[in-house]
Amino acid sequence: AQTVTQSQPEMSVQEAETVTLSCTYDTSESDYYLFWYKQPPSRQMILVIRQEAYKQQNATENRFSVNFQKAAKSFSLKISDSQLGDAAMYFCAYSAMNYGGSQGNLIFGKGTKLSVKP
Amino acid sequence: NAGVTQTPKFRILKIGQSMTLQCTQDMNHNYMYWYRQDPGMGLKLIYYSVGAGITDKGEVPNGYNVSRSTTEDFPLRLELAAPSQTSVYFCASSYYPSGGPIAKNIQYFGAGTRLSVL
Repeated sequence: AQTVTQSQPEMSVQEAETVTLSCTYDTSESDYYLFWYKQPPSRQMILVIRQEAYKQQNATENRFSVNFQKAAKSFSLKISDSQLGDAAMYFCAYSAMNYGGSQGNLIFGKGTKLSVKP
Repeated sequence: NAGVTQTPKFRILKIGQSMTLQCTQDMNHNYMYWYRQDPGMGLKLIYYSVGAGITDKGEVPNGYNVSRSTTEDFPLRLELAAPSQTSVYFCASSYYPSGGPIAKNIQYFGAGTRLSVL
């Protein structure tokens, strides 16, 4: 069974600095997706960034980028120029390629609580 | 642009009571999901549906039932509520283009329902 592990329950960063959140996963599949979701105190789950395993290039979305190491099964999130609004729980998630059944279901890690200090 | 709408936002139940959590989406997505999030944990899949009339169990289905009579609605039924069902419940939806290219598998989440069973 696939698993997702986030080994950092809490992280802290100074405003305008850079922080990296770690995520490892276990799967026997060769094609899959990886996601980072942000959950602010409002509880809303917000997709931050998404990576397709067959793409070697790391995904980027403005200040957010990932370091995807397929052989090591590692998927870290880097937040540059941290802002107060980045404070939230961050969840790493995995899904297999969706061919029309249950493969597309998301498997979540336990999350990392990020605090941003002014 | 309502997206995924969940009602109610909060609810307190007594042990043994029953209730239905409502979820509706206006994006014409064929896939819908129910997750629960316990304190300090990631989301776990309760049930999912790949289309109207088709549902299947996820990781933690015990104590719940679902139905999918329309594309838009995917209610979650709690029968005989127990304290172990105290959690935050999220509904999500995604689109899988049957017979088309591989889906991006991006799930869109509702704002959640906080349920306490006392």
